[in-house]
Amino acid sequence: DAGITQSPRYKITETGRQVTLMCHQTWSHSYMFWYRQDLGHGLRLIYYSAAADITDKGEVPDGYVVSRSKTENFPLTLESATRSQTSVYFCASNRLEGPQETQYFGPGTRLLVL
Amino acid sequence: QKEVEQNSGPLSVPEGAIASLNCTYSDRGSQSFFWYRQYSGKSPELIMFIYSNGDKEDGRFTAQLNKASQYVSLLIRDSQPSDSATYLCAVKGDGNNRKLIWGLGTSLAVNP
Repeated sequence: DAGITQSPRYKITETGRQVTLMCHQTWSHSYMFWYRQDLGHGLRLIYYSAAADITDKGEVPDGYVVSRSKTENFPLTLESATRSQTSVYFCASNRLEGPQETQYFGPGTRLLVL
Repeated sequence: QKEVEQNSGPLSVPEGAIASLNCTYSDRGSQSFFWYRQYSGKSPELIMFIYSNGDKEDGRFTAQLNKASQYVSLLIRDSQPSDSATYLCAVKGDGNNRKLIWGLGTSLAVNP
């Protein structure tokens, strides 16, 4: 049971470059989420998706683009990376446990923008 | 603005003691409540969820929910050094909204 995988796990890039973070889940869960986590701000939702081809903005979407052509993949693209996008990025998906949906997280991607 | 508040800590307890972690939320319509543990450098992992008033026990962990007071807590009995981590409280709203509102987390240190 591989669950949720993210790649790359670590990335260093330069300001202005385009970067794509990959997220893949093996459970065929409908809902998927992208968060960033920064000291002092906790987990902040960037984008989420209810199903293939259905995406919506979260709390901090500016500078990011998502797509979801297949249920299992939910890539996050930084169109022109800025230093303020240096962060740890987590992908998550909702899984049904009995009557309750719960969110499960991937291992994260640490991104440094120079 | 829907909010979830936690004491940032650090909360320090001796090994074997009970650790009590608290969380308050602003949206009275919230339906489900989650506790996650996050070790340094790792992703959050689900410990427990609760959606009915009262207590829910799972091993050394007990979640307590009081919707009237808009308060949810996590008790860790017989705390171990391996419980040292940041504990995140998350709240799900009502209806079909799948998004979670997250607290900033409480740092717990269990001292041998």
